[in-house]
Amino acid sequence: EAGVTQFPSHSVIEKGQTVTLRCDPISGHDNLYWYRRVMGKEIKFLLHFVKESKQDESGMPNNRFLAERTGGTYSTLKVQPAELEDSGVYFCASSQDAGVTEAFFGQGTRLTVV
Amino acid sequence: GNSVTQMEGPVTLSEEAFLTINCTYTATGYPSLFWYVQYPGEGLQLLLKATKADDKGSNKGFEATYRKETTSFHLEKGSVQVSDSAVYFCALSRGSQGNLIFGKGTKLSVKP
Repeated sequence: EAGVTQFPSHSVIEKGQTVTLRCDPISGHDNLYWYRRVMGKEIKFLLHFVKESKQDESGMPNNRFLAERTGGTYSTLKVQPAELEDSGVYFCASSQDAGVTEAFFGQGTRLTVV
Repeated sequence: GNSVTQMEGPVTLSEEAFLTINCTYTATGYPSLFWYVQYPGEGLQLLLKATKADDKGSNKGFEATYRKETTSFHLEKGSVQVSDSAVYFCALSRGSQGNLIFGKGTKLSVKP
């Protein structure tokens, strides 16, 4: 069974540009989560989808970030326009049952804004 | 608010040494507690978990006990191997097991 897949694995963009990260969860997992780790800091929760609906987006840093999950399958996280402080590793995770089952993480996308 | 504090690294040990990575938490209610591990070039993997006080999580020789009285969940292993070299993250859940608060991570390097 395929795990959580994220791409690209690395992205280097200039300040002011737009970047879109993609996450493919494990098939059948209704719950999808985005996290971010800025260098040297904690991994921070960004948001939680249940199917195509945003269950909790309390961790989204500002309106330059837009997450979507059309059709309740894969999800995208767009940063527009990117700023230097957006650099970090973006992780995606999915789980079958939010209350009791383990969340499986992808390998992450390393974003560098120069 | 909820938070997790874990010992800062990096931690360097010789093979077969005893490992302890300290983790304490602040939380309202009764969260579940987790240790995740990130091996070089890979994603986060759940190492072990405990869902209530006095539970002991264990996996691959690692253990951690949920101590409510000291709000701790220290990770231990009796004899580390080179293959245990990784970054270890302590975390607590906020309701769902996918909605997590992480510590900063502790990098472990094990030398032969």
